[in-house]
Amino acid sequence: GDSVTQMEGPVTLSEEAFLTINCTYTATGYPSLFWYVQYPGEGLQLLLKATKADDKGSNKGFEATYRKETTSFHLEKGSVQVSDSAVYFCALRLQGAQKLVFGQGTRLTINP
Amino acid sequence: EAGVVQSPRYKIIEKKQPVAFWCNPISGHNTLYWYRQNLGQGPELLIRYENEEAVDDSQLPKDRFSAERLKGVDSTLKIQPAELGDSAVYLCASSLAGAAGAEQYFGPGTRLTVT
Repeated sequence: GDSVTQMEGPVTLSEEAFLTINCTYTATGYPSLFWYVQYPGEGLQLLLKATKADDKGSNKGFEATYRKETTSFHLEKGSVQVSDSAVYFCALRLQGAQKLVFGQGTRLTINP
Repeated sequence: EAGVVQSPRYKIIEKKQPVAFWCNPISGHNTLYWYRQNLGQGPELLIRYENEEAVDDSQLPKDRFSAERLKGVDSTLKIQPAELGDSAVYLCASSLAGAAGAEQYFGPGTRLTVT
């Protein structure tokens, strides 16, 4: 079945460090890929997305590139801030479908 | 513009008791979703509505869970009777109907603890 696997957390970094959160997927066809972020006490927010192979999604300094050959969508940021502390979810949506399939989430903590 | 509103934010009940969650989607969003998020896991879809119609309820445990969206706006998700394994965060989301790839906007969720 369709699924998303994320690197396990928690991940703890110092401010200004480089961030990578790995995400790989299994799906039929050509899904759209997403990263959502959940700040403490808030709902999930869309961070970025990519709808086809080689697309790069970017927002707030975060980037992820849709790699079909490796079925991956790794999240990166060059210099993290304390305010980036949150739980990050990778997700996919199959073509023509509405349902999102989420990974298990990765908790990120940034220390000053 | 107001986001997706859910209430209550927290609920603690004893097993075998009933419980209900309420969701008001973003104005104009005809598609509404209920997800369940177990501790340490990502959300999983329970049911999706297009207006009043439940178009995908394949993951809803129908023996104890029910949902309604009578006027195609707000929605209620009910569990009766609750079991210990129902402890989770219940998320509501909404999106524009008929828009391919429409973004889903999530509410803050209701955290249910069954004791």
